[in-house]
Amino acid sequence: QVQLVQSGAEVKKPGASVKVSCKASGYTFTSYYAHWVRQAPGQGLEWMGVINPGDGGTTYAQKFQGRVTMTRDTSTSTVYMEVSSLRSDDTAVYYCTRAATEVIPGFMPAATFDYWGQGTLVTVSS
Amino acid sequence: DIQMTQSPSSLSASVGDRVTITCRASQSISSFLNWYQQKPGKAPKLLIYAASSLQSGVPSRFSGSGSGTDFTLTISSLQPEDSATYFCQQSNSVSVTFGQGTKLEIK
Repeated sequence: QVQLVQSGAEVKKPGASVKVSCKASGYTFTSYYAHWVRQAPGQGLEWMGVINPGDGGTTYAQKFQGRVTMTRDTSTSTVYMEVSSLRSDDTAVYYCTRAATEVIPGFMPAATFDYWGQGTLVTVSS
Repeated sequence: DIQMTQSPSSLSASVGDRVTITCRASQSISSFLNWYQQKPGKAPKLLIYAASSLQSGVPSRFSGSGSGTDFTLTISSLQPEDSATYFCQQSNSVSVTFGQGTKLEIK
């Protein structure tokens, strides 16, 4: 069965960086786009960006350009998301999620999210 | 970015009631609209995709309709386990956006 297992909770100081991992299993890792979505406490869902695990291509939400980096390791079927220059309003649960659409080389389509990780709480506090 | 607006932001209903939640897009998104259910402390779960297609394993009391800018999620006969927050999401552009959520409580 498809599973996305994320790394554990993190506490960081303002200005620091955090790197969250998401290990996929139960499907062909390189065949499905991986997205990251975050949710601040008591708030809604915010899309951050997408990575094509096949070729490593990325597209980021404009809000996060220059501050977020998504990478992948095909040998371990793991995607990573790093956020730099953390601020208090980055405190949120970060989710990795799989797009229901199979990868189309050179194309980043919009996504429906059929599987989600359990979430990783990142707390930014001095 | 396409703005998604849900209404109501919260509602309370009784077991067996028919419940409707609406979602409006700031521009036409054809049928590129999905609905998710989220329970406290859990990740969202896909209920409806492409406006009206039921995700595998989701009870048939859930249904979706609409196209263009106006969409609805209907629960035909509310069950206690349906207490949750529901989000719509547009998948018309790669920069997907979500509605702000509708919190559904059981009376």
